[in-house]
Amino acid sequence: QKEVEQDPGPLSVPEGAIVSLNCTYSNSAFQYFMWYRQYSRKGPELLMYTYSSGNKEDGRFTAQVDKSSKYISLFIRDSQPSDSATYLCAMSAGPGSARQLTFGSGTQLTVLP
Amino acid sequence: GAGVSQSPSNKVTEKGKDVELRCDPISGHTALYWYRQSLGQGLEFLIYFQGNSAPDKSGLPSDRFSAERTGGSVSTLTIQRTQQEDSAVYLCASSLARISGQETQYFGPGTRLLVL
Repeated sequence: QKEVEQDPGPLSVPEGAIVSLNCTYSNSAFQYFMWYRQYSRKGPELLMYTYSSGNKEDGRFTAQVDKSSKYISLFIRDSQPSDSATYLCAMSAGPGSARQLTFGSGTQLTVLP
Repeated sequence: GAGVSQSPSNKVTEKGKDVELRCDPISGHTALYWYRQSLGQGLEFLIYFQGNSAPDKSGLPSDRFSAERTGGSVSTLTIQRTQQEDSAVYLCASSLARISGQETQYFGPGTRLLVL
């Protein structure tokens, strides 16, 4: 079993829809949770960062972490065609091992105009 | 400003040949990472350099893989006697900023390696 599980999709939604992307994990030591966006043939770019449980909002994006369920989510409101990309969740255990991120396999999202 | 750059962007090689992949991190970033991304897989950590400390090589899959970082800047990932299963996108990232102890990693565009 992988430490981080992520549905690979592909996920296709109409423009304006609310998108929900999720990851589950098994390592209870994970404290830092991130979402990266990766456009085709580009490197991943950090989209959202969350420490421990709770919610964080940034514009149309909301990241949620539920450590009790070992479940994290990324919500995209009013999705746009420019949001079409692969979304990778990533997590690490803390400063001592912050250099090592464990990634999900990514969910491919297409937002149709 | 200049981001992380990698070269070549694409590399096709024959099984058994050696390849070198290059990474130029963001100027001033002390930490440098190499990852491998295979089709349908997440990013697999390979190696980490931090300043002048000994590198963390715990992710290297075999002794055919090695990496160096010269002068605390440019890094080269070398794969000897390449195998078909080495075909993947090799991503480099660098970091400086710490957010509550977590380093923010900035990724390059990757080198797409195909071993025939």
